Amino acid sequence: DIQMTQSPSTLSASVGDRVTITCRASQSISSWLAWYQQKPGKAPKLLIYKASTLESGVPSRFSGSGSGTEFTLTISSLQPDDFATYYCQQYNSYSWTFGQGTKVEIK
Amino acid sequence: QEQLQESGPGLVKPSGTLSLTCVVSGGSISSSNWWSWIRQPPGKGLEWIGEIYHSGSTNYNPSLKSRVTISVDKSKNQFSLKLSSVTAADTAIYYCARISSISLVRGVIDYWGQGTLVTVSS
Repeated sequence: DIQMTQSPSTLSASVGDRVTITCRASQSISSWLAWYQQKPGKAPKLLIYKASTLESGVPSRFSGSGSGTEFTLTISSLQPDDFATYYCQQYNSYSWTFGQGTKVEIK
Repeated sequence: QEQLQESGPGLVKPSGTLSLTCVVSGGSISSSNWWSWIRQPPGKGLEWIGEIYHSGSTNYNPSLKSRVTISVDKSKNQFSLKLSSVTAADTAIYYCARISSISLVRGVIDYWGQGTLVTVSS
């Protein structure tokens, strides 16, 4: 299986901050990477797919970049609704695998 | 907008079989989408279990393949998960989900059920 490693595991930030989360794959996955946001007690929500394509309805402050083995999710100006846990997921090959998650906390 | 709803026992005995069903509403399970199960142990990360197409074609996570069966019932617009020989390590929130058909490469999960907690305990 392809291993996905996110950093940091926890991130403390303030409203208005620019936030960047990194996801690394154990081998090249081209651009077949998705990002999800999960709030406590809720199912994950799709934010970005194909590394940088914003899902319909997702605010433009979210952006994704990268290819191969290194990817980033950026929130340009953190909003109160953005405090959550974020997961990356590769779908380049079976079995699809997720990163361990990055929790974005209020500073 | 499609909605997915999981149902099934919340408690399963060790060595027993976990059985869950996911009803799809607002759309047809016979569409061009694949359908999937994903689980999340309490406080931990996400693990893909497997997927099914309305034709009955399946793909499973190799780490669970020997114990997993996913099936589809088109007449009821639902699909199901069976996981046999369960242990405490199978305690998790189980999500059913739809795989997006918009992506050139399959694997983007665009709709999720709310999830159901299954505890394995005697």
